[in-house]
Order: sequence, then structure tokens, then C-alpha cells
Amino acid sequence: GQQVMQIPQYQHVQEGEDFTTYCNSSTTLSNIQWYKQRPGGHPVFLIQLVKSGEVKKQKRLTFQFGEAKKNSSLHITATQTTDVGTYFCNGGYNKLIFGAGTRLAVHP
Amino acid sequence: NAGVTQTPKFQVLKTGQSMTLQCAQDMNHNSMYWYRQDPGMGLRLIYYSASEGTTDKGEVPNGYNVSRLNKREFSLRLESAAPSQTSVYFCASSELRGSQFTQYFGPGTRLTVL
Repeated sequence: GQQVMQIPQYQHVQEGEDFTTYCNSSTTLSNIQWYKQRPGGHPVFLIQLVKSGEVKKQKRLTFQFGEAKKNSSLHITATQTTDVGTYFCNGGYNKLIFGAGTRLAVHP
Repeated sequence: NAGVTQTPKFQVLKTGQSMTLQCAQDMNHNSMYWYRQDPGMGLRLIYYSASEGTTDKGEVPNGYNVSRLNKREFSLRLESAAPSQTSVYFCASSELRGSQFTQYFGPGTRLTVL
């Protein structure tokens, strides 16, 4: 069945450093979504990418969907302590398969 | 507009007890979902309902039943709780406008089975 892998599992950075997490699927995805979950909180939808090669930006966050629609990345420029949390990717519409997430720690 | 609400927030059960987790959304969404999240892990889909009156199994349906009571409400039942079902349970709903998909999560129910 479809699998979604995220790397790295965990990363800690100094505030101001950049951060990137990668999402890789074993099959072609119709779309990819990214979510953020703060410690003790619930996942919050960040963005959806649909088109091959699509790039979207939200302030310091840049999301990219691969040309083959099997991988995606989330890049945060100049991390802040408010970026702490776990970032999940997910593909599909109904029978959604989440990656295990990348936990980001930011040290001030 | 409360979004997705879940009750209870916390629950402790003994092995073999049953309980129902309640979920409601006020966004008029067709699709609703139940996930479980174990410590340090990602989300695993238990069941989903693409529309009122339909339900389908997700990745980990064993030990659970669901009811899509109406468009607003989607409940998850544990008939005979087991310690392996200790987890945080999230309900979610989603909307699809064209190809634009957005999923909204409830605050979660933290369940401990002793």
C-alpha cells in the first residue's frame, strides 16, 4: 500500500537557522498537504499543493511539490521559537496517509 | 463557529470497558475522520466517512466501530477497550472545493486504558 516517509524524524536548530523537512511517497500523489502540530496540540492545516513542480510560500515557509508528484519539501527560513512543533505531510483526499512527522526544536 | 469539537477531553477506562467518543463539526463538511496518535508517532486513520450515511475503514480499524449519525456528527466506539488502545484520538472534517482540500482537526481526546 501507499507509504509516506518523512525525514528527518527530529531536528534541532539555533534560532535564525534554516530548516528543511522532506516527504517521500512510494506512489504518485494527487496532492500533498502539510500540517503543523504544536506540543500538546492538534494538527493545523498549513497548505495544499496539487500541481507538479508547484512552489508556494507563506511568509518564511516555502513548500515545494516534486515534478513526479512523489515528494515534497517544507523549508523554513530563519527559524523562530514559534516554529517549534511537528510538521506532517499527507497525501490523498479520503483515505489519508500521514507521514510520521518531523519534530523541530528551536533553541533561542 | 466552533469548528470541530470532541468530547470528552480526557478518559480513563479499565480493560474491557466500552465507551463512545463524540465528534461534531459545524462547517457543513461532507467528510469526517477518526485518527489515533500514539506518543511520538504520526496520525493513523481509523475510519472515515466521505458523506452522511457512509463509512469506510482506514489503516487501523480493528477494535473500533463508527457511526455517522448525521452530517454534523461522527462517533467512535470502543466495544471492549484494551491497553493497546491507549492513545490520543483526533476527529477531523474536510472540505473539497474543486481541487482545494482543507482538513480541520478537533482538540483531541486523551484516552488511557488500564
